[in-house]
Amino acid sequence: EVQLVETGGGLIQPGGSLRLSCAASGFTVSSNYMSWVRQAPGKGLEWVSVIYSGGSTYYADSVKGRFTISRDNSKNTLYLQMNSLRAEDTAVYYCASTVIAVAGAYYFDYWGQGTLVTVSS
Amino acid sequence: EIVMTQSPATLSVSPGERATLSCRASQSVSSNLAWYQQKPGQAPRLLIYGASTRATGIPARFSGSGSGTEFTLTISSLQSEDFAVYYCQQYNNWPLGGTFGGGTKVEIK
Repeated sequence: EVQLVETGGGLIQPGGSLRLSCAASGFTVSSNYMSWVRQAPGKGLEWVSVIYSGGSTYYADSVKGRFTISRDNSKNTLYLQMNSLRAEDTAVYYCASTVIAVAGAYYFDYWGQGTLVTVSS
Repeated sequence: EIVMTQSPATLSVSPGERATLSCRASQSVSSNLAWYQQKPGQAPRLLIYGASTRATGIPARFSGSGSGTEFTLTISSLQSEDFAVYYCQQYNNWPLGGTFGGGTKVEIK
């Protein structure tokens, strides 16, 4: 059974940094495409970033240059390093295994339970 | 960027009845459309991809249809566990992660 467990969320001041982790079981992070998707309180879903099995990474324009996705194959864990955080980054962050369609965009087949990041002074 | 519009925002349905949810794309997304279910405090769960293919373990009472710009998710006979928010997502076009609709909340009538 695939399990994805996110940790690392919390309250952080604007301009601060935070690193989220997503530990996987029943599933090999390095063999799959993995994304971070976020959901602001009471709002819809927004894709944030993806890392391909080959290591390529891509970001939404809203986080480009501030967030970095990575993984540790030995720990079977996905990360999201978030710098220069803003109030609008406040959201529940989910890690999700990612399927790339022929058209090139993604959908998400397995999700973790999420971790809340609150950016506020 | 393609805009996904879901209707209605809220759907009140009695257990055992059929629920029909709509999703419209601002331009054609072919059949590159997914549906997700989200219960309060839980992660989204993939129900349908390719507009009509059920994901692993999804009951047959969930069905998807449509192509181009108009899509429908039908729940043939609502069970208590089906009351949730449903999101559609296009993955035909930029951005890479596609775009999601605003959701339809299915509540108990």
